[in-house]
Amino acid sequence: AQKITQTQPGMFVQEKEAVTLDCTYDTSDPSYGLFWYKQPSSGEMIFLIYQGSYDQQNATEGRYSLNFQKARKSANLVISASQLGDSAMYFCAMRARRDDKIIFGKGTRLHILP
Amino acid sequence: GAVVSQHPSRVICKSGTSVKIECRSLDFQATTMFWYRQFPKQSLMLMATSNEGSKATYEQGVEKDKFLINHASLTLSTLTVTSAHPEDSSFYICSARELAGGRNEQFFGPGTRLTVL
Repeated sequence: AQKITQTQPGMFVQEKEAVTLDCTYDTSDPSYGLFWYKQPSSGEMIFLIYQGSYDQQNATEGRYSLNFQKARKSANLVISASQLGDSAMYFCAMRARRDDKIIFGKGTRLHILP
Repeated sequence: GAVVSQHPSRVICKSGTSVKIECRSLDFQATTMFWYRQFPKQSLMLMATSNEGSKATYEQGVEKDKFLINHASLTLSTLTVTSAHPEDSSFYICSARELAGGRNEQFFGPGTRLTVL
């Protein structure tokens, strides 16, 4: 069975600081993809970043980077220079090649303080 | 990225009525669409996988007779909540998968907030 675990229900971070959101996963499928989504209060799911299980390098997208440690089965999201607009719910998600479904972790609510 | 729309964005209905939610891929063909439900302050839970032209595959614990899914075309899937009850009040989100040119990407709709009185 596949599983995504996010252990931080909420985080408070000062504006302009970097923040790391934790995510661990479990799957027996050797081929999988890991995602991070941002969900503001409006409810829309905003895709942030993707990491494939066979990718050699950690994914980066602007201020977002994914710290992928395959042996530890972790895929932490790092947001550099946080901004007030980063306040939102963040979900880590996984898709295994076997069934192609995306499953989500419980999420971390991030609050950026001015 | 590609655009997925949902209609309606909000719906309020009386207990016992049925509600239909549409999910459309606007600029690509989606052979597979997924339906999720999200209760307040909780994660997205996959309800079912919808394949064009065939029956939907439901996740364990999801009543297929209550949540009817139809995927009649490559750009439209519908979720009908039959005989809705207050406990069905939730945020319903669809996503559509684009398989073209070697890509395998999934795009989410903006969600539909259902309130059953």
